Order: sequence, then C-alpha cells, then structure tokens
Amino acid sequence: DQQVKQNSPSLSVQEGRISILNCDYTNSMFDYFLWYKKYPAEGPTFLISISSIKDKNEDGRFTVFLNKSAKHLSLHIVPSQPGDSAVYFCASCADGLTFGKGTHLIIQP
Amino acid sequence: SQTIHQWPATLVQPVGSPLSLECTVEGTSNPNLYWYRQAAGRGLQLLFYSVGIGQISSEVPQNLSASRPQDRQFILSSKKLLLSDSGFYLCAWNSDGRCYGYTFGSGTRLTVV
Repeated sequence: DQQVKQNSPSLSVQEGRISILNCDYTNSMFDYFLWYKKYPAEGPTFLISISSIKDKNEDGRFTVFLNKSAKHLSLHIVPSQPGDSAVYFCASCADGLTFGKGTHLIIQP
Repeated sequence: SQTIHQWPATLVQPVGSPLSLECTVEGTSNPNLYWYRQAAGRGLQLLFYSVGIGQISSEVPQNLSASRPQDRQFILSSKKLLLSDSGFYLCAWNSDGRCYGYTFGSGTRLTVV
C-alpha cells in the first residue's frame, strides 16, 4: 500500500521553463512534507520542506505547494536549469519518512 | 563537520552468498541511523533504524539484518542473498526526531546474480 505516490516516473522540460512535480499522499496524519533531489550514484539531498500549517514555501527557484484537502503537493522549479536534471523524491512524515517512487526530471537545452 | 561514509559503491554477489554493507558517521555522537533500499520501480523503503548501540528496529520482514556495534557504525547483513535483494542501498543519519535533517550516504548498488 503506497502512502506517497508520484505518478509520473519522468518529466521532460525545456530549459528556462517551469517544472512541476506532483505528489499525492493518503495518510491524513502526515504533517510534514519534504522534497529530496538525487543525482545518479549519489544519495538524496534535502531540497525543500513544508509543514501542514502552511500551503506554500518558497526558496529561491523552488516553491512547494500543499493542498491538504486534496492530499496533494507539488514542487515548482522556475526557471528550470540543466543542473536540475535529477530524480526528485517526495517524502512525508508521521513517524519517520515515507518516500514516493521518484520522478526523473530531464531539462532539455 | 559531519560526514557519512558508505561502502562499497557497487557490489555483484551470487545468490546464496553472504552480504555485509558498512556505514559510518563522523562528527556527531548518538545519531539516529537508517538503512533504506530502492528496488527497481519502487521508492525508498525504510529497512532498519537505530536510535542507539544495539537498538535495531525493523520496518519490513526480509532476508536482511542490521547491527550497530558502535555508536557511529551501522552494518547491513545477510547470510544468504536472494535475487530480490538487488537494489540501491542507502545509509542515512539524523539527530532530530524521525523526520528532520536526514543526511544520506552515497549508496551501494547491489546486484545479486
């Protein structure tokens, strides 16, 4: 039973445009959400997070939006850059982190 | 500064052979330690976590075991590998509860043949 779902295995976006990565969750007890970025042959690194008391958190080019009623969050990257090409994992937390399957973002020049 | 070391980076092992993956953390004391696995087509799955020496919690039943013989050392083992044990194994640590401040190692790509 997958509690965190990233339904898009891959996403291709042109450099300079907006990248939108989506994540759905099923457990209403989750109260903290994180996005991790992973390059090949490396461990994931923390990117941005959001608490359930907020609906938006912004850090530079990265913004995470949370829609609690829909149990949905999204990561926006504007503008997208070649170095953003990586696998992005959505994670949520109740008692420990639960990760999605990841979305492979490909930024095309 | 804190660092986490994980080795080996890649490993090819025959079915039925034993496994030992090691993870060490530097620059901190009494960290929470975690073993995750990413199998093909799946997300990062928590296998084990430890809040102290000799304290191991298992999240899923499996062919693997974990041990924490020292404060900053976490070992993942198997007596006999299965094909289904193939995957990307990640060690991680944090010091603030179960959700925050995770630092992951660079991972081990295990292929069981």
